Amino acid sequence: RKEVEQDPGPFNVPEGATVAFNCTYSNSASQSFFWYRQDCRKEPKLLMSVYSSGNEDGRFTAQLNRASQYISLLIRDSKLSDSATYLCVVNTEDSSYKLIFGSGTRLLVRP
Amino acid sequence: GAVVSQHPSWVICKSGTSVKIECRSLDFQATTMFWYRQFPKQSLMLMATSNEGSKATYEQGVEKDKFLINHASLTLSTLTVTSAHPEDSSFYICSARGGLAVDTQYFGPGTRLTVL
Repeated sequence: RKEVEQDPGPFNVPEGATVAFNCTYSNSASQSFFWYRQDCRKEPKLLMSVYSSGNEDGRFTAQLNRASQYISLLIRDSKLSDSATYLCVVNTEDSSYKLIFGSGTRLLVRP
Repeated sequence: GAVVSQHPSWVICKSGTSVKIECRSLDFQATTMFWYRQFPKQSLMLMATSNEGSKATYEQGVEKDKFLINHASLTLSTLTVTSAHPEDSSFYICSARGGLAVDTQYFGPGTRLTVL
């Protein structure tokens, strides 16, 4: 079983749509959770951290369910520029600060 | 702030040659640097963790004699792919941790290696 699992997609949605991505992680001791965005042939860029209470940043909302070991990302009012691969990332439970990346979910926003 | 650079951004080499990739933290001192590899349509896979002044810690399955890592200063780490082969062709990305946000890794722009 992969440590971080995501639906690879692609999700093909029209502009203005709301889209949700899910992710599960296997290590219950993981402490930090993130969503990264990666454009084609570029490095990943931090989109947002995910907190237990849930958090929102503009059109993006992230949720964490520790009991189910489940993380979600909701994008409202999709823009063409949101087209990218979204990576669910979890840290290891030790002090090494290592990150474990999911394989990513590809989003295509069409006009 | 928190900018990480990589050099070169892309490289093409012949099979059997060695390639060195540099990773620099430009405006902060990196306590730890990480090296990742990403094959097409796959996620980033951590290769090794590098702390300044000490030997790198390699992930399982990564050959330390093939992927030489040197972290000589708080702002520079290098990855040398020795005797590169076509199967080493990949996107190599470094990240650096340090500064005020200790939990955050800042990623370099990546180096695309093609071995002919």
